[in-house]
Amino acid sequence: QVQLQESGPGLVKPSETLSLTCTVSGYSISSGYYWGWIRQAPGKGLDWIGSVHQSGITHYNPSLKSRVTMSVDTSKNHFSLSLSSVTAADTAFYYCARVVTSGNLAGVFDFWGQGTMVSVSS
Amino acid sequence: EIALTQSPGTLSLSPGERATLSCRASQSITNNYLTWYQHKPGLAPRLLIYGASKRATGIPDRFSGSGSGTDFTLTISRLEPEDFAVYYCQHFGSSPRWTFGQGTTVEIK
Repeated sequence: QVQLQESGPGLVKPSETLSLTCTVSGYSISSGYYWGWIRQAPGKGLDWIGSVHQSGITHYNPSLKSRVTMSVDTSKNHFSLSLSSVTAADTAFYYCARVVTSGNLAGVFDFWGQGTMVSVSS
Repeated sequence: EIALTQSPGTLSLSPGERATLSCRASQSITNNYLTWYQHKPGLAPRLLIYGASKRATGIPDRFSGSGSGTDFTLTISRLEPEDFAVYYCQHFGSSPRWTFGQGTTVEIK
């Protein structure tokens, strides 16, 4: 069974960089698939942040593109999110997920982590 | 960019009742790249339906998806206590880009 687990600081100061890691077990990232980050601000719905392929190819939400960087570390079987210049609007639950991009399940987030809450506050 | 609008925002029903959730796209969705997820607080979102109408592995047959073009529906034929949750539709578009609806909360009446 594929499992994902987010980790990182729960509190980040305004203007600093939010950094999260998603560790994957039960599947080797180097075998393929895209890997994505999604967030949910308090009282809001789900919002796609971006997706990264094991090859390093990235796709970002245009609304966040100038502040987002994603990467994959196949040796550690994890992938990462960096979001710079954070404000209170970036306070949210952050989820990582595996992304299918071909076949019948194209575009589907089929396995998700349980999420980690990140608050932006001084 | 395709936007997804879900309705109603909240559905108040009793166990055993039928739930009908709507997801409307701002433009016609090709290839039926429309997915439904269930989300409960503190848990990972759960894949329910992909390709507009295909149930994911392990999903009970009381969940069904239908629709095409701009109008899609998730139906829960008889609500079980564990079905009270938030439901999101999601589209996979060109660029590529992933878009979610704002969610429908199914709550116990």
